[in-house]
Amino acid sequence: DQQVKQNSPSLSVQEGRISILNCDYTNSMFDYFLWYKKYPAEGPTFLISISSIKDKNEDGRFTVFLNKSAKHLSLHIVPSQPGDSAVYFCAASALKGGFGNEKLTFGTGTRLTIIP
Amino acid sequence: DAGITQSPRHKVTETGTPVTLRCHQTENHRYMYWYRQDPGHGLRLIHYSYGVKDTDKGEVSDGYSVSRSKTEDFLLTLESATSSQTSVYFCAISERWNTQYFGPGTRLTVL
Repeated sequence: DQQVKQNSPSLSVQEGRISILNCDYTNSMFDYFLWYKKYPAEGPTFLISISSIKDKNEDGRFTVFLNKSAKHLSLHIVPSQPGDSAVYFCAASALKGGFGNEKLTFGTGTRLTIIP
Repeated sequence: DAGITQSPRHKVTETGTPVTLRCHQTENHRYMYWYRQDPGHGLRLIHYSYGVKDTDKGEVSDGYSVSRSKTEDFLLTLESATSSQTSVYFCAISERWNTQYFGPGTRLTVL
């Protein structure tokens, strides 16, 4: 039962254009969402997060959008740069409701390739 | 970068042998986690710890045990390794709500 889904295993984007990575979730108790970036042979690194009380959070070139009614979040990278080529994982947790607010549930990841 | 190290970084072992992976942190964070990463599955939680000697199971805990006798160290043990446990193992730590910081990973191959 995959509670966090990233349906696109891979995505290729031209340098300078916008990259949009998508993530869907099924557990309505999730109320905190994160994106991680992973390079080969390294551990994932935290990128950006959003609480369910917001619908948008921005940090430089990275913006995360949350649509609670659709149970969907997306990560926008503008403009895309070659160094953005990596695997991106979305993750979710339930801060309330007794589901264990320390635990994250991860999606399967999307491999982003930026074409120079 | 958060001060997290994992040892060994690479290990090849044979089926049926015990294996222990070590995670060491210098951040004094309360929570520590062990994940495995496999193609098509993303990151899956094996076990986690919410304090010294306090641990709990994750979604894929069968065949694994953990121990945490000091704040800075979290050990993952495979009592009798199987080929299905060939994977990349990541340790993570957190203090603040849900922002977890990951170590560099251990690549384990069970022949």
